[in-house]
Order: sequence, then structure tokens, then C-alpha cells
Amino acid sequence: QVQLVESGGGVVQPGGSLRLSCAASAFTFSSYGMHWVRQAPGKGLEWVAFIQHDGSNKYYADSVKGRFTISRDNSKNTLYLQMNSLSAEDTSVYYCAKILYSGGLQLFDHWGQGTLVTVSS
Amino acid sequence: EIVMTQSPATLSVSPGERATLSCRASQSVSSNLAWYQQKPGQAPRLLMYGASTRATGIPARFSGSGSGTEFTLTISSLQSEDFAVYFCQQCNNWPLTFGGGTKVEIK
Repeated sequence: QVQLVESGGGVVQPGGSLRLSCAASAFTFSSYGMHWVRQAPGKGLEWVAFIQHDGSNKYYADSVKGRFTISRDNSKNTLYLQMNSLSAEDTSVYYCAKILYSGGLQLFDHWGQGTLVTVSS
Repeated sequence: EIVMTQSPATLSVSPGERATLSCRASQSVSSNLAWYQQKPGQAPRLLMYGASTRATGIPARFSGSGSGTEFTLTISSLQSEDFAVYFCQQCNNWPLTFGGGTKVEIK
């Protein structure tokens, strides 16, 4: 079955950087757009970034634009999120998520287990 | 940005009863709305998309309705496993946005 496994979370100081990875399996990764969605402790869901199946288009939430970069390596079935200039407001569980249909609407039928990013001095 | 507003924030329901959750969009999202269920410590699970289409494996006691700006998720007879937080999400416009969630708790 479809699996998404995030890694790379941890504790980082304000102003620091972190790169998250999401290893995908059991589906044709190169055919699907992928997203990062985050959830601050005890809070709701916030969409973070999207990348098209071939990497040709990317979209970001205003809250991360200019600081975060989404990328993918289809040869490794892996999604990435490079996070720079981190602040306490970025503290969240970060989920990678797959869209339901290739080329379809941006809703998420599979999610990873999440990786916790804590920004603290 | 389209703001999604869910109500109520908390819904107290007895097992076997009906639960009705609302989601309102600040502007029309057509039928491009999804619902997710999230249990503590777990990732969200897709319940409904296109406002009224159940995702794979979702029981028939879950139903969705609405279009434009007003949407409803109904759970016809609550089971113990249905007590969770429910989020709506619009996928009509960038940026994608979620509602703040409705917690369905045991009365």
C-alpha cells in the first residue's frame, strides 16, 4: 500500500535551517503532485507548499514564501522541504501528502506519519 | 485567500446519535471541498471529496452535502471510532486552506 515516510525533523535554533525528506513507495511517485502540510501543537492544519509531478510548478503559503523551498527527486521517489530562517511560529508537525488523482484537484488521500520540527533556543 | 470557518468548534454527541458539522467558505469554492478526520497522534484521513463523494473505505454513515459556500458533513449514527476532529479543506483556489476543525466528543 502507499507509504509516505517523513524524516529530518528535530530541534533547531531560531534563524536556523532544516531539510525534511519524505520517502514515497507503492505508487508511481513521478506521476503525482505532492504537498507539505503542517500542524502546530494542538492547532489546525496549514497547507505549506506544493510541487507538480515533474517539478515544473511550485506554490507556497505566504507564511513560508521566500524561506522554504519544496523540491523532489523522482529517481529516488523522495520529496523535500528546505526550511531556512526558521522561527518559533514554524514549530509544527510537518506532513507530506499525496494528491488523490494525478492531475486532479489538490486534496490529499495519503499522508505520512509526520515529523516534528521544534524551533527553540 | 479563502477563509474556511467550521462550526461548532466542539460537538458533544452520544453514541448512536446523528452529528452534523458545518463548513463555510468566505467565497464560492464550487464543489471543491474535502473533509478529513483526525484522531490524536495520527495523520488526517480523507473522508469526503467533491463535497459529497466518500473516499475509499469510508462507511456509508458519513455523508456530505453543499456547494458554493455552505457545506455539511453528517455522521448518521456515531460509532465509538468516529470521535475525532474533523477538518474541511477547499481545493478551488491557491492557497489551499483548511477550516479550524470541529471536535466531536462523547456526550
